[in-house]
Amino acid sequence: EAQVTQNPRYLITVTGKKLTVTCSQNMNHEYMSWYRQDPGLGLRQIYYSMNVEVTDKGDVPEGYKVSRKEKRNFPLILESPSPNQTSLYFCASKTPGRDGYTFGSGTRLTVV
Amino acid sequence: GQSLEQPSEVTAVEGAIVQINCTYQTSGFYGLSWYQQHDGGAPTFLSYNGLDGLEETGRFSSFLSRSDSYGYLLLQELQMKDSASYFCAVRDRDNQGGKLIFGQGTELSVKP
Repeated sequence: EAQVTQNPRYLITVTGKKLTVTCSQNMNHEYMSWYRQDPGLGLRQIYYSMNVEVTDKGDVPEGYKVSRKEKRNFPLILESPSPNQTSLYFCASKTPGRDGYTFGSGTRLTVV
Repeated sequence: GQSLEQPSEVTAVEGAIVQINCTYQTSGFYGLSWYQQHDGGAPTFLSYNGLDGLEETGRFSSFLSRSDSYGYLLLQELQMKDSASYFCAVRDRDNQGGKLIFGQGTELSVKP
């Protein structure tokens, strides 16, 4: 089954403790991206990757890092999480020439 | 910069037709997409307009007018399961199309 898999689904952590949210897709998509969703603000893009070793900033990259060492994986790294990064995070992927993005099930992160 | 505006809430009755509008300010984009999201779940792709005009997919239709900077999603024969949030989105023509920008979302409530 074609899918984007995020882990974990839920995470509660403390300020400053480094964490990684994993994202994996099995569709051989070149393009992957990360979004955060906050009430009233819709989905905002954090980072995107056009292909392996090619990443770029979205609209809200501050406080986040990403890496794309292989096509299927695109982890989101929070080196020093802060409470304002409490949010619902989505990973998505897309294949060239197709219009729709496939989203993962989301990761609800709480930073206390 | 790019921005998309949608109504925050729309209410309609089962069996009716509802239109969700999306107006945008953008210097250039590849097309207008629509996504559906139930209760914080994964957004799912509904439709895409690369050219002006109407696209129909079952009970859902979407329209784009680039000259009017305007698009809409039309849902016919509303069902209770259509209660969800709906987002319009554009893929920025700059940055090799890597940036995907969403509207803030419209929460549709379908009443019996």
